[in-house]
Amino acid sequence: AQSVTQLDSQVPVFEEAPVELRCNYSSSVSVYLFWYVQYPNQGLQLLLKYLSGSTLVKGINGFEAEFNKSQTSFHLRKPSVHISDTAEYFCAVGGSARQLTFGSGTQLTVLP
Amino acid sequence: DTGVSQNPRHKITKRGQNVTFRCDPISEHNRLYWYRQTLGQGPEFLTYFQNEAQLEKSRLLSDRFSAERPKGSFSTLEIQRTEQGDSAMYLCASSPRATLTGSGNTIYFGEGSWLTVV
Repeated sequence: AQSVTQLDSQVPVFEEAPVELRCNYSSSVSVYLFWYVQYPNQGLQLLLKYLSGSTLVKGINGFEAEFNKSQTSFHLRKPSVHISDTAEYFCAVGGSARQLTFGSGTQLTVLP
Repeated sequence: DTGVSQNPRHKITKRGQNVTFRCDPISEHNRLYWYRQTLGQGPEFLTYFQNEAQLEKSRLLSDRFSAERPKGSFSTLEIQRTEQGDSAMYLCASSPRATLTGSGNTIYFGEGSWLTVV
């Protein structure tokens, strides 16, 4: 069994400020971890993924995430956000390629 | 890659009617998935195909739901006798064959098909 908890449902932040979106997971098997972004009325776009290797993962649009096995976390960070980063962000865990379990999402709102 | 394509993008139907959604995965992706997403929630897994074989079905997939992938390429998701609770976005996704690099573990999503049952 696997589950994902996104600790913040909404995160408002001013433009050019740093941001961290938190994600904790539980899984009984080896995990693969993902962050997806969803813009209004659109599907999900892959931001970054952790499959193995380096625990610091860099993704698109300047985002990065760090896999912390001891804390079962995979927090997403960006040092300076833009208005265009306003979107819903989903953390997901997959024990295999067969399916993903998603968190309930974090709405990031970047304020001018 | 042209990406995962879904149609129709939006469908409004009366309760009790049947609806069908189509998904065209990324070419050469042998794995195809259907997820459902309701407002304010993350996507929930419905079913999974490897080539034409339906290998997993979630308990969310009631008897009114049926998915097919007859030739191992495109897939259809049919909902019979729709209910208001079926209103959601239905997401299709695909992933490539598993490899040693783990690329098969990355799932790519389409734009989704919105269903509104009135």
